[in-house]
Amino acid sequence: DVKVTQSSRYLVKRTGEKVFLECVQDMDHENMFWYRQDPGLGLRLIYFSYDVKMKEKGDIPEGYSVSREKKERFSLILESASTNQTSMYLCASSLEGRRNQPQHFGDGTRLSIL
Amino acid sequence: DQQVKQNSPSLSVQEGRISILNCDYTNSMFDYFLWYKKYPAEGPTFLISISSIKDKNEDGRFTVFLNKSAKHLSLHIVPSQPGDSAVYFCASRYNFNKFYFGSGTKLNVKP
Repeated sequence: DVKVTQSSRYLVKRTGEKVFLECVQDMDHENMFWYRQDPGLGLRLIYFSYDVKMKEKGDIPEGYSVSREKKERFSLILESASTNQTSMYLCASSLEGRRNQPQHFGDGTRLSIL
Repeated sequence: DQQVKQNSPSLSVQEGRISILNCDYTNSMFDYFLWYKKYPAEGPTFLISISSIKDKNEDGRFTVFLNKSAKHLSLHIVPSQPGDSAVYFCASRYNFNKFYFGSGTKLNVKP
């Protein structure tokens, strides 16, 4: 069974801090994704990566960066946290897109920026 | 503007009856469609999917229908069970790797 593990379930940080959210998957998936979930907006894609050191912007990349140094690990970085980045963050992984395989999600990190 | 819309934020159904969840999309280039189920404090879990070359896919109590001309996707759950109570998200894929999600429908199945 695919396991996607996010390092923290809950996180509280202060405005202006640099914040790291970590995600690890154990199924050798090529693709990894970071989403944020907000009420009434569903899941919105921040960044995704289709290979080590490769990344592409999603729909809302402003204020975020990502790092993928190893295939199994995908990190989301809030360079200078702001209160409007308070949200639920979800990491997902999947096999390469042409194979019509679903994404598998972690349990999420609820991040509060004070 | 959202490319995938779930216009019903909530749905309440009696146990044993059919639940029908709906989803509309705008981009005719979407080629793969999925439904996810989400319980509180957990990540979404994959439920069922359909490729754009099909119009129906069935898995046990769950059936997904795709109407490409209407750009409409629906999920039927028959019979509904109390354990099906959750938030359901539809998702559509573009260009192999980019997924767009609806805002979710909260299903409540009453015993």
